Amino acid sequence: EVQLVESGGVVVQPGGSLRLSCAASGFTFDDYAMHWVRQAPGKGLEWVSLISWDGGSTYYADSVKGRFTISRDNSKNSLYLQMNSLRAEDTALYYCAKDHGSGSYYLDYWGQGTLVTVSS
Amino acid sequence: SYELTQPLSVSVALGQTARITCGGNNIGSKNVHWYQQKPGQAPVLVIYRDSNRPSGIPERFSGSNSGNTATLTISRAQAGDEADYYCQVWDSSSHVVFGGGTKLTVL
Repeated sequence: EVQLVESGGVVVQPGGSLRLSCAASGFTFDDYAMHWVRQAPGKGLEWVSLISWDGGSTYYADSVKGRFTISRDNSKNSLYLQMNSLRAEDTALYYCAKDHGSGSYYLDYWGQGTLVTVSS
Repeated sequence: SYELTQPLSVSVALGQTARITCGGNNIGSKNVHWYQQKPGQAPVLVIYRDSNRPSGIPERFSGSNSGNTATLTISRAQAGDEADYYCQVWDSSSHVVFGGGTKLTVL
């Protein structure tokens, strides 16, 4: 059974930094690209970032480019999101999600999310 | 950047057919995927590559995609189908793009 468990969400001040983690199990982690997607309270889904299976390619939404960094440690079956220069508008539930693969870029399994609140 | 447009809400009578649209420029040339999100839960994939159902998704869920509109169709709507539904594509600028979401109400 595929499981994705996010952690690291806390209350942080504007301008602060935070690292989210996602522990993956139930599939061969290093075979698949992985995504971060966020959802602000009461709002829709917003894609944040994508990393290839080997970490060699990364992609970012314009809203986070230059502030967030996605990474992975295949030896630990873990995905990360380093978030710097946080703003109030980054407040959201952050989901990690597995890419299906085969070049279609859809998200076939999702975690339950971790809440990041940016507030003074 | 590529944009996907969904109606904010759709209502359907119990047992009838609901259709949720997703508009985008020449979206018919892209693979469209659909997610269902119930309150307090993570999204669940219900349709991939326009019209394919993952295992465990009822046959009542179907999809189509042509021209500038993709459509998620839910036949014989049930109370348990009440949820937010999101369409999604992969854009040529190497971004995942979600539609704004549609709230489905079953009356």
